[in-house]
This record gives sequence, C-alpha cells and structure tokens, in this order.
Amino acid sequence: EAQVTQNPRYLITVTGKKLTVTCSQNMNHEYMSWYRQDPGLGLRQIYYSMNVEVTDKGDVPEGYKVSRKEKRNFPLILESPSPNQTSLYFCASSLRDRGSYGYTFGSGTRLTVV
Amino acid sequence: AQTVTQSQPEMSVQEAETVTLSCTYDTSESDYYLFWYKQPPSRQMILVIRQEAYKQQNATENRFSVNFQKAAKSFSLKISDSQLGDAAMYFCAYKNYGQNFVFGPGTRLSVLP
Repeated sequence: EAQVTQNPRYLITVTGKKLTVTCSQNMNHEYMSWYRQDPGLGLRQIYYSMNVEVTDKGDVPEGYKVSRKEKRNFPLILESPSPNQTSLYFCASSLRDRGSYGYTFGSGTRLTVV
Repeated sequence: AQTVTQSQPEMSVQEAETVTLSCTYDTSESDYYLFWYKQPPSRQMILVIRQEAYKQQNATENRFSVNFQKAAKSFSLKISDSQLGDAAMYFCAYKNYGQNFVFGPGTRLSVLP
C-alpha cells in the first residue's frame, strides 16, 4: 500500500529533551515536507526537501532540523523542544512534477512539550 | 507571498442538505492548482477535490463540486446531499508549479441528523 508513515502518533516530552519524529514514504517521491497544524492557523510549512541532500526552510523553521540522507526518509528533529512547539505535525510527500496531484500525508504526530 | 483565506471558522448543515464552504486566495501567478482537503476526527488528511487554474470547467467528484472564479480568486466547495461522514475540518490549499503549498486556516463542518 502506498503511504507515508509517521512515528510516533503521540508524544509527550519535557522542555529541552531532544526528540525525533520519523517519516518514511514508499512511493519513490522526490518531494517531502513537514507541516505543523495549530488551531486557527491551518497547516504551516516547517521544512521541505526537493530530493536527497536537498532541504530548505519553510515558513516556520525556527527550533527544527531535518535531514534527507535517503529518498524515502525525512526525519524531523527538535534539538531542544519548547512548549510553543506543542502542535500536530504532518509529514507529506509528492512527486516532483508540476504538482497537480497534491500531497500524500502521514497520519500525524500529536506532540506535547511540558 | 501567496495567502489562502477561509472566512468561515465553523459551519453546520442538516443531513441530506447542501452546504458551501468559502475560500479565497491571493496570488500574482496565472498557473497554479487549488485543492480541498478533508480532515476527519481521525486527523488523516484526505484529498477531496482539485482544480487546475488553466481549466475553466469546475471540478466535480461525486457529491463534491467547486465553484472556481479565477478573476475573483475564489474557490468554494459545495457538498450536496450531506452525510454524517462529511463532518470534518476542511482545508483549502493553493499550490504553484513549484512546491509552494499554502493552506487556509480551515472550516469545521458539522452535520446535523
């Protein structure tokens, strides 16, 4: 089954404790992206990657890191999480075409930082 | 920068009735794509319908259709014969020919039995 797999689905952590949210896709998509979803703000892009070893900042990159060492994986790293990073996070992927097919999304990660 | 606005934070509709969700966007580009995504309580993001800006014909997917007004930069979603399973958060999204994907703030739709 073609899908984007995110783990974990829920995570509660303490301020300052490094964490990684994993994302993997099995569709050979070149493009991958991370979003955070907050009430009243919709989804905002954190980072994106056009292909292996190519990453760039989205609209809200502060406090986050990403890497793209393999085509299928695009982990999101929070080096020192803070309470304002409590949010619902989505990984998404798509073919690197003119973009007519939109995204395939993961099932989301609900992160709480206390 | 492109922006997407959904002016209705919440909407409700009676089962079997029709409801229209509004979306406006701002762009200086002439070629782009528009999407409606549905997010049920399971929080999975599900593509409902998409529209290519170069096509004048409005997209339709079963009970879902759009009213695309390019000059007005408007992209509303009409849900006909509403069902209880249509209750969800709906996001309007804009995408250019690069990878710039911008989402609106969402409209929460309730379906009343």
